[in-house]
Amino acid sequence: KQEVTQIPAALSVPEGENLVLNCSFTDSAIYNLQWFRQDPGKGLTSLLLIQSSQREQTSGRLNASLDKSSGRSTLYIAASQPGDSATYLCAVIGNQFYFGTGTSLTVIP
Amino acid sequence: SAVISQKPSRDICQRGTSLTIQCQVDSQVTMMFWYRQQPGQSLTLIATANQGSEATYESGFVIDKFPISRPNLTFSTLTVSNMSPEDSSIYLCSVERTSGAGELFFGEGSRLTVL
Repeated sequence: KQEVTQIPAALSVPEGENLVLNCSFTDSAIYNLQWFRQDPGKGLTSLLLIQSSQREQTSGRLNASLDKSSGRSTLYIAASQPGDSATYLCAVIGNQFYFGTGTSLTVIP
Repeated sequence: SAVISQKPSRDICQRGTSLTIQCQVDSQVTMMFWYRQQPGQSLTLIATANQGSEATYESGFVIDKFPISRPNLTFSTLTVSNMSPEDSSIYLCSVERTSGAGELFFGEGSRLTVL
């Protein structure tokens, strides 16, 4: 069974800092990988989708990379802002969707 | 993307009662899913809501506890029956807009607290 791990579980950074969130998965036979943002008590907002044939995707200050062979994805956030504070989850798409436990990010003004 | 409306957004319920959560999508979708997110944990798939037929439940979830309806391609309901405090969770409706595209969109979630 696919296992998805996100490290660290929590991260606190000062405003303006660049940061990287990590997502690891055990089975490299995936179709896509998707990054989400979740605000407390709310649903998930899709940030980026990386298809298995791609190595990265960019949207604004966000850049996500995918290395299937090593079972890793990273989400890079440039020039972090307090509004980026949220939990970030990755989901690996194989025969079904497998979610990580998330990284709780706090950006300190 | 898809616009997904869920209601209620939150509720406080008494032990032993049942609550129905509604999910409305702004366009026809093939795949609709219901997830549960217990406090501090990740998402767990409850079932796939199938239009015109019984939902497909994941291991550990049964129809008597979580009956699901899907009368058409834009609407689904999830009922949490005979609730206990252990059912306190966020319940999330999700759609895969294009079947097999491997991209999920979520509603705002329904936060249930059972006393």
